[in-house]
Amino acid sequence: KAGVTQTPRYLIKTRGQQVTLSCSPISGHRSVSWYQQTPGQGLQFLFEYFSETQRNKGNFPGRFSGRQFSNSRSEMNVSTLELGDSALYLCASGEGYEQYFGPGTRLTVT
Amino acid sequence: GNSVTQMEGPVTLSEEAFLTINCTYTATGYPSLFWYVQYPGEGLQLLLKATKADDKGSNKGFEATYRKETTSFHLEKGSVQVSDSAVYFCALSEMINTDKLIFGTGTRLQVFP
Repeated sequence: KAGVTQTPRYLIKTRGQQVTLSCSPISGHRSVSWYQQTPGQGLQFLFEYFSETQRNKGNFPGRFSGRQFSNSRSEMNVSTLELGDSALYLCASGEGYEQYFGPGTRLTVT
Repeated sequence: GNSVTQMEGPVTLSEEAFLTINCTYTATGYPSLFWYVQYPGEGLQLLLKATKADDKGSNKGFEATYRKETTSFHLEKGSVQVSDSAVYFCALSEMINTDKLIFGTGTRLQVFP
């Protein structure tokens, strides 16, 4: 089985722009979660989708949003980028106890 | 709220030394506990898990026991290798209608030959 894939792997954006990141889960997985990883804050939960519905949401501003499609693929969007949004964004898919992570998208905001 | 506390790193060891990375948690209910490992430039890989008290998770020579009485899930390995150098994250999940993971801050392990 193919693993979790994330595109793009690297991204450089300017403050004020918006960005969309994509995640393709492992075939058959209906749950997709997103995390932000930074040196200062560590790994923080953004949101979780299950069967196209947001099931859980972390403490991030409304500039962060996401969605899940009928094929379980998920996107997250960040609008009005700030320097502090520079991070590794990780996507995970799973069913139950085991979550499988993708390699992440490294976003740099200048 | 639920939280995970890990020992600060980096942990620096010589090859074949014994490893312990401490992890304690605060949670309501009965969470499941996990150790994940992150190698440079990669995402997280599940190393081992335990879903109830007194369970022992093990994989690739690593072990951790779910201790409810001390709210701990310490990671151990009897003999580390240079290839074990990575960042290790302890995590919990309430597993009730969610796959959300709460992570500790991570502990960097450096193993020298």
